[in-house]
Amino acid sequence: QVQLVQSGAEVKKPGASVKISCKTSGYSFTDYYIHWVRQAPGLGLEWVGWINPHGGGTNYAQKFQGWVTMTRDTSISTAYMEFGGPSSDDTAVYYCARCHYCSGYPLCCDYWGQGALVTVSS
Amino acid sequence: QSVLTQPPSVSGAPGQTVTVSCTGSSSNIGAGHGVQWYQQLPGTAPRLLIHTNTYRPSGVPDRFSGSKSGTSASLAITGLQPEDEADYYCQSYDTTLSGAAVVFGGGTKLTVL
Repeated sequence: QVQLVQSGAEVKKPGASVKISCKTSGYSFTDYYIHWVRQAPGLGLEWVGWINPHGGGTNYAQKFQGWVTMTRDTSISTAYMEFGGPSSDDTAVYYCARCHYCSGYPLCCDYWGQGALVTVSS
Repeated sequence: QSVLTQPPSVSGAPGQTVTVSCTGSSSNIGAGHGVQWYQQLPGTAPRLLIHTNTYRPSGVPDRFSGSKSGTSASLAITGLQPEDEADYYCQSYDTTLSGAAVVFGGGTKLTVL
């Protein structure tokens, strides 16, 4: 069965880099995009960006360009999101999701990780 | 401020029908980009309910339906059940001169009375 298992919760001081992993199984890793979506406490979903595991191409939301990096390791079917210099505003649950093409773009996110809580606090 | 606008909350009694609206603009829904809907139960990851405006993935009850007109889309839930109490999000694609991005609505909390 399809599974996306994310790394555990993290507590970081402002300015320290964060790297979250998303290990996938049960499907061909390179056949689907991986999106990263975050949700601050009590707030809605916010798209961070996507990576195409086949080739590694990325697309980041404008507000995250320059400080978020998405990568993947096809040998272990795992995607990563790293961001540097977070502030307390970046405290959120970060989800990875497997997404396929619909409506002309890779927007249909049918399987999600369990979420990784990142707390940024001094 | 979300690119897609949803009402913060809706409510209905069991058995009733509720609709959730999602208003966009000419750079997303109005540009012909499809709309997806996600359900998020408390403490869980989102679940895909509707894709490409009107299509239900397998396993989603037919009580859930989607529609789109112009720059707006709607999610209708008929025969409301207590387990439908959740947050609902619309999602689409936004293309402007400055780039392209996936966008979500701000979310709508459904309360089953």
